[in-house]
Amino acid sequence: DGGITQSPKYLFRKEGQNVTLSCEQNLNHDAMYWYRQDPGQGLRLIYYSQIVNDFQKGDIAEGYSVSREKKESFPLTVTSAQKNPTAFYLCASSIMGGTGELFFGEGSRLTVL
Amino acid sequence: DQQVKQNSPSLSVQEGRISILNCDYTNSMFDYFLWYKKYPAEGPTFLISISSIKDKNEDGRFTVFLNKSAKHLSLHIVPSQPGDSAVYFCAGGSNYKLTFGKGTLLTVNP
Repeated sequence: DGGITQSPKYLFRKEGQNVTLSCEQNLNHDAMYWYRQDPGQGLRLIYYSQIVNDFQKGDIAEGYSVSREKKESFPLTVTSAQKNPTAFYLCASSIMGGTGELFFGEGSRLTVL
Repeated sequence: DQQVKQNSPSLSVQEGRISILNCDYTNSMFDYFLWYKKYPAEGPTFLISISSIKDKNEDGRFTVFLNKSAKHLSLHIVPSQPGDSAVYFCAGGSNYKLTFGKGTLLTVNP
């Protein structure tokens, strides 16, 4: 089945540690995105990539880093510089030139202890 | 600066009645708008979209209306069903990026 796979679903981290969230898609989509959801805040864009080896900052990129070495993969690293990392993280993908619809993964819940 | 606003955090309706979810936006550059439905601890799922050059789009029980002069769109669900209970996000899009509102929790009571 085609789709977006995020792992792990739940992750606990100690303060000061970096952590990497995985996102893989087999939809052959060109564009991939990372969003963060906090209670009452909706979805906020962290980073996005429209082509391999290229990515752009979203609205809340500070304390995060990404890479796009393969079309299928767009991992997100939450660094120790991110002041408030506890959140629900959502990866998405889309085709270029379509209706703008994003296809989302199931999400990863990160909790900093 | 909140480019997409959903001013009602929650809405409660009776099964069989109409649900109307509202959304306002400030960015005139949005080319399209989408509505997503989300359950807790899951990814959002796409419901319906509308191009900025249209004023209405319909798909089964779901209809989205766009009023460009008022920078306002709404999602109508008729008839509402208990399975529609979820958080609904409105989003505006341009250059393959979506900007989301904060969501409205819809509860449909049996």
